[in-house]
Amino acid sequence: EIVLTQSPATLSLSPGERATLSCRASQSVSYLAWYQHKPGQAPRLLIYDASDRATGIPARFSGSGSGTDFTLTISSLEPEDFAVYYCQQRGSWPPVVTFGGGTKVEIK
Amino acid sequence: DVQLVESGGGVVRPGGSLRLSCAASGFSFDDYGMSWVRQAPGKGLEWVSGINWDGGSTAYADSVKGRFTISRGNGKLYLQMNSLRNEDTALYYCARDRIEQWLYFESWGQGTLVTVST
Repeated sequence: EIVLTQSPATLSLSPGERATLSCRASQSVSYLAWYQHKPGQAPRLLIYDASDRATGIPARFSGSGSGTDFTLTISSLEPEDFAVYYCQQRGSWPPVVTFGGGTKVEIK
Repeated sequence: DVQLVESGGGVVRPGGSLRLSCAASGFSFDDYGMSWVRQAPGKGLEWVSGINWDGGSTAYADSVKGRFTISRGNGKLYLQMNSLRNEDTALYYCARDRIEQWLYFESWGQGTLVTVST
């Protein structure tokens, strides 16, 4: 099973600052996505295929990386961006899905 | 608008069974892969199981393999959960994929809570 390790566990930033979140895989992955999750709400797909923005996602969210190292960047934090972010991958075979442990972006 | 509404959660004793349902509307259900994803209290997201568009292909997390069964039909997604354990306590989300199999979860329900306890 591919393990995804996210860092840091918590990121303390102010609105307007840039956020850089890391996701490292235990082996090379082909399918990588990022989600935003706020308390009491359903998770929201932000990025798929490592760098493609999902429908309706603002341009301040961007994804990059390949192989085992991936990054989610929020160029300028808005108040509504403070949440927990998860990376997720699915293996080619077996087609099992795993999530990273999450990064909490909190207001400094 | 895509709508996914889960039901069937509740309190069950260890070793017991429960069947979750997810009613889908606002899209062509038979065109998309579906999954169940759960979140235990204070923990992160954990994928449980996925099924492709026609039900012909399924997959499970190791933690539930042999105990849970995913199925679909008539605009609904199901999760039959047997031999439940304390560690199965979680909020269970139904999620629709972007494509015909399970890969990326584009739409989510609000979840149904399962509590396994004596």
